[in-house]
Amino acid sequence: GAGVSQSPSNKVTEKGKDVELRCDPISGHTALYWYRQSLGQGLEFLIYFQGNSAPDKSGLPSDRFSAERTGGSVSTLTIQRTQQEDSAVYLCASSTYTAYEQYFGPGTRLTVT
Amino acid sequence: DAKTTQPNSMESNEEEPVHLPCNHSTISGTDYIHWYRQLPSQGPEYVIHGLTSNVNNRMASLAIAEDRKSSTLILHRATLRDAAVYYCILRDVGTSGSRLTFGEGTQLTVNP
Repeated sequence: GAGVSQSPSNKVTEKGKDVELRCDPISGHTALYWYRQSLGQGLEFLIYFQGNSAPDKSGLPSDRFSAERTGGSVSTLTIQRTQQEDSAVYLCASSTYTAYEQYFGPGTRLTVT
Repeated sequence: DAKTTQPNSMESNEEEPVHLPCNHSTISGTDYIHWYRQLPSQGPEYVIHGLTSNVNNRMASLAIAEDRKSSTLILHRATLRDAAVYYCILRDVGTSGSRLTFGEGTQLTVNP
């Protein structure tokens, strides 16, 4: 079946502009996660959605970052007033609530110039 | 989260077994041991997980020490496609829907 998809695959933006990154999780998966991976760095947790519960936003690095999940499915990660340090690969993952494994998408490579 | 320690890099030859070690001396009784891998330019991929007993699946085997302070991921016959960064992660059984905390991982190089 279809895996986690993300769009766009690549995004180049100018410093100060806003960007939106999209994640389509696997159908039926109630849990959705955003991570980011900066060049040469490990993966860093950003935010977690589970069903209708309040999201766990504890990993968001600043108030310029926000995310929403509409209808319990598609999620959008928004970065306002982008900075060069926001350049990274942004990865989305989904899982069923009781599953131990998370399924990752291919990521969106964001470059802020 | 309890911390894991892995070697930065390892090398193997194609079609030979690979044993990737992980130390987790501060593991708690409710921590599962998870392994993920990340191939170049791809998102991480689940490999295997276990709690106390050794585990086998189509991708790999997981050997867990009796005191659970260490574990070993075993690839029985390495292929060039197994070249990746391998992450050993602890995750509390009571928080199965929670985040994964990735460390530096082990970069596995497979030589033809």
